[in-house]
Amino acid sequence: AQSVAQPEDQVNVAEGNPLTVKCTYSVSGNPYLFWYVQYPNRGLQFLLKYITGDNLVKGSYGFEAEFNKSQTSFHLKKPSALVSDSALYFCAVRDVDTGRRALTFGSGTRLQVQP
Amino acid sequence: DAGVIQSPRHEVTEMGQEVTLRCKPISGHNSLFWYRQTMMRGLELLIYFNNNVPIDDSGMPEDRFSAKMPNASFSTLKIQPSEPRDSAVYFCASSLGGLEANYGYTFGSGTRLTVV
Repeated sequence: AQSVAQPEDQVNVAEGNPLTVKCTYSVSGNPYLFWYVQYPNRGLQFLLKYITGDNLVKGSYGFEAEFNKSQTSFHLKKPSALVSDSALYFCAVRDVDTGRRALTFGSGTRLQVQP
Repeated sequence: DAGVIQSPRHEVTEMGQEVTLRCKPISGHNSLFWYRQTMMRGLELLIYFNNNVPIDDSGMPEDRFSAKMPNASFSTLKIQPSEPRDSAVYFCASSLGGLEANYGYTFGSGTRLTVV
């Protein structure tokens, strides 16, 4: 079975400060990992993914994430937060080795960036 | 491409009525997913199709829920009869499979269902 944990319901950060949104995963094989963002009354939008290769993945809007296999983590980061980054963020995983195409999503973390 | 298109955007219905949600995936995508989002349970996978064939429907709550994909450009999710606990936002997503694909999804804007 595949699962994702996002331990923080909400993260608060001041504009201009670095931000981190945490994600850990569990799969029996190798993972494909994703981050999505959801703005109010909108569908989820793809931010970035880890498939293979470099552990540091860069995505949209200045976000990046680091894949750490030993810690089974895929934390989302941004060097300098913007008020417009305030949204709901979801981490998702797919177990490559099972052949199952469906993603399992975490419970989401609400990011609040204060001006 | 217009993206994944869902209709209606909002649906309010009375308990016991039949509800049909519709989804048009991105042209060329061969996998389609139905998710339900609630405050209590987050994002739950209901069912997914690959090449129009249902692959995993283990997330469908009960027999009141059914989903079809008669062709590559259209899918429906039906609830009959509807109950207040079905109130949620229902998302459709599509993706392109295959070895070269990134397996990421494109989501529709969702249908907000309220059953009173």
